[in-house]
Amino acid sequence: ETGVTQTPRHLVMGMTNKKSLKCEQHLGHNAMYWYKQSAKKPLELMFVYNFKEQTENNSVPSRFSPECPNSSHLFLHLHTLQPEDSALYLCASSPVSQDTDTQYFGPGTRLTVL
Amino acid sequence: AQKVTQAQTENSVVEKEDVTLDCVYETRDTTYYLFWYKQPPSGELVFLIRRNSFDEQNEISGRYSWNFQKSTSSFNFTITASQVVDSAVYFCALWGAQKLVFGQGTRLTINP
Repeated sequence: ETGVTQTPRHLVMGMTNKKSLKCEQHLGHNAMYWYKQSAKKPLELMFVYNFKEQTENNSVPSRFSPECPNSSHLFLHLHTLQPEDSALYLCASSPVSQDTDTQYFGPGTRLTVL
Repeated sequence: AQKVTQAQTENSVVEKEDVTLDCVYETRDTTYYLFWYKQPPSGELVFLIRRNSFDEQNEISGRYSWNFQKSTSSFNFTITASQVVDSAVYFCALWGAQKLVFGQGTRLTINP
């Protein structure tokens, strides 16, 4: 596989469920990101990891819990979500987290919370 | 504060027409980077171009061209001889405040 992959591509969950989103990058990058894309809103940065260390938490509710076990993998653990959390969740990676680096995105996970 | 404005939420043209997507940005940084991404229906954001603030030369890549005007804080994107496969949402973005700030996006529809 090449580039940035995300699984699952679609997820439907109830408000009391616990699920996880997975992202894997095959680009040898050291920075990884989670973004949320809701209808009619700009992409919102959620979390940034640089060399496995979290460097940005953009005031994200604690029902979203990221995990970065190594530079190639990023998870987003979900629990007790709300219907307004339904969105497309995009993962991205870049060599490091700085302005000169281009971020490359995965295809996203379309999440629906019932 | 960093801000990107794409005033056109939607645009629609007939195939083979040229189309320009507008992007206006705000930043206090003297050095910054601007980006364009394409998001086809599949959902993945596809990187198109990165431009730094010191390079005001216009860029052309095939049917795509970009016009960077620092004086008006604009970074517009033109597709020449549009094709149906160009239909997508296009995002302009600015690196600022240690993160990538996106505009709202322009949904472009190319009709056959």
